[in-house]
Amino acid sequence: SAVISQKPSRDICQRGTSLTIQCQVDSQVTMMFWYRQQPGQSLTLIATANQGSEATYESGFVIDKFPISRPNLTFSTLTVSNMSPEDSSIYLCSAPGQGSQETQYFGPGTRLLVL
Amino acid sequence: TQLLEQSPQFLSIQEGENLTVYCNSSSVFSSLQWYRQEPGEGPVLLVTVVTGGEVKKLKRLTFQFGDARKDSSLHITAAQPGDTGLYLCAGRADSWGKLQFGAGTQVVVTP
Repeated sequence: SAVISQKPSRDICQRGTSLTIQCQVDSQVTMMFWYRQQPGQSLTLIATANQGSEATYESGFVIDKFPISRPNLTFSTLTVSNMSPEDSSIYLCSAPGQGSQETQYFGPGTRLLVL
Repeated sequence: TQLLEQSPQFLSIQEGENLTVYCNSSSVFSSLQWYRQEPGEGPVLLVTVVTGGEVKKLKRLTFQFGDARKDSSLHITAAQPGDTGLYLCAGRADSWGKLQFGAGTQVVVTP
């Protein structure tokens, strides 16, 4: 398994500002993932973050809006830049379990409200 | 993109009743995972199934992976209010592929 923590757990931000979300995994993992879950919706993959290389973004998500850092094998950050109310969502960090690439675990999420 | 269709979208039942949630696709998955998400929490992994025809049991929950690895079901026996939550299925085309999520089934179990 993998134990994943996120900070902050929630925040209320003003439009035009940026928020950086931190994700910590209790074991070393090659890949970490960032998802968005809009109210009442399922999960949408934003990007895959590999240590030592640029993140790979999914269609509809760009690095300028969602810059990602991956400084080591247990940590990653996602920044939501120049926020608008449409960015209000839950942002989730995810990583595979130890010894099993098939299984994926999630952090508790960061609830963001943009006014 | 492989699409996973979950049904029903919403299910409201009384405590003690049984329920089944379905997850279907026209594509083959190397593995499929079921999660439960409660309000204010991240998704919690319930089970991973990898073999066609596989059946896994977790207390009152029974998970089945179709023989062709295109579909799965989650059956809850004698549901309890603690089973309330959003149930999500997610499949992977291969070991290194992206996890694709279904739309989710909101289950409400009333006392």
